[in-house]
Amino acid sequence: DAMVIQNPRYQVTQFGKPVTLSCSQTLNHNVMYWYQQKSSQAPKLLFHYYDKDFNNEADTPDNFQSRRPNTSFCFLDIRSPGLGDAAMYLCATSSGTGDYEQYFGPGTRLTVT
Amino acid sequence: GESVGLHLPTLSVQEGDNSIINCAYSNSASDYFIWYKQESGKGPQFIIDIRSNMDKRQGQRVTVLLNKTVKHLSLQIAATQPGDSAVYFCAETHYTGNQFYFGTGTSLTVIP
Repeated sequence: DAMVIQNPRYQVTQFGKPVTLSCSQTLNHNVMYWYQQKSSQAPKLLFHYYDKDFNNEADTPDNFQSRRPNTSFCFLDIRSPGLGDAAMYLCATSSGTGDYEQYFGPGTRLTVT
Repeated sequence: GESVGLHLPTLSVQEGDNSIINCAYSNSASDYFIWYKQESGKGPQFIIDIRSNMDKRQGQRVTVLLNKTVKHLSLQIAATQPGDSAVYFCAETHYTGNQFYFGTGTSLTVIP
């Protein structure tokens, strides 16, 4: 089945140690999103790609970067994780062609020690 | 980002009763709204959507109502079942962009 895949499902990193989360999709969607979701809170949009065009939210810290090397893959890089970056990170896709439905991956739970 | 909020953070209902979850949004230019269900440890799951040119849309056991005058939408779940227990989020966007902004969320608990 077409889907959005996130690896790993659980990631533990040390304070200040760079970490990369990955997302892949088999939907051939134009748009890929990264959200941060802390406990008991709503998903917060960090940035999204429309094809290769990167769109950063104004309040996304510089500590968060993203790469999209091709249509299928998108990466979230946290350059120097702090304790406050511990959260669930959700990847989502949408077609970007008038159908606004988003398809979410299962998320990566990041723990910072 | 946009401001999309929910009135009630928690809701408990008896199995078989109807549930109503509310959401307020602040951007009058928003023209597309989605309700998501999120179970523990999982990503949000699409439930139903509505465009701003509509005021009501029905799905299987769910109905979304949109009141653009007061910038309010609601999700009605008929004959609530234990499997409906989850956190429900509304989200909004505008057709000129691809950003989706989520509301606070309501935790629905269904009592058997």
